[in-house]
Amino acid sequence: EIVLTQSPGTLSLAPGERATLSCRASQSVSSRYLAWYQQKPGQAPRLLIYGASSRATVIPDRFSGSGSGTDFTLTISRLEPEDFAVYYCQQYGSSPGTFGQGTKLEIK
Amino acid sequence: EVQLVQSGAEVKKPGESLKISCKASGYTFSTFWIGWVRQLPGKGLEWMGIIYPADSDTRYSPSFQGQVTISADKSIRTAYLQWSSLKASDTAMFYCARPKSPGSFDAFDIWGQGTMVTVSS
Repeated sequence: EIVLTQSPGTLSLAPGERATLSCRASQSVSSRYLAWYQQKPGQAPRLLIYGASSRATVIPDRFSGSGSGTDFTLTISRLEPEDFAVYYCQQYGSSPGTFGQGTKLEIK
Repeated sequence: EVQLVQSGAEVKKPGESLKISCKASGYTFSTFWIGWVRQLPGKGLEWMGIIYPADSDTRYSPSFQGQVTISADKSIRTAYLQWSSLKASDTAMFYCARPKSPGSFDAFDIWGQGTMVTVSS
């Protein structure tokens, strides 16, 4: 089972700033099968990025993903008020699919 | 519109059985895997398992193997998650989710609204 470790656990930033979230895998994630999700309180997760760097439908271009192998990054170029939420990475290249523990992005 | 609609919140006692559902609409049900994800109160997401309704091929996370049963009924486009004997530690929100591509393990782009299960004596 691939273990995903996200860092930092909490990120405190102001609107307009750039956010960089990290996801490290315990072994290589095949074919870049790495996704990022956003979850707001009381809501189901929402897919942001799949294939490590492809944006899902209607996701704004301030969200971008990069990385390969064991190291992946989600970048939010300029934070909007609605971006403050919890973010999870997930690998789906091997079963069981696994999630990282999450990064909480909070308003500074 | 593609959507997954889950059954309502449940309150059960330890030792009771439970089966929650996830009804799909707007796409060819049999050709997409459907997964289940657990979220303990205030905690992160956990991948429980996934089923392919066309042939009921099912994969479980080792953490959930033997603890739950995932099934699907193609005739009514519904996936299920069931417990034979609930424990207080099963208290959580459960989501069903569909991968974005047919026939493959893919990122989950469609999610149900979640079913809250509370187990308390």
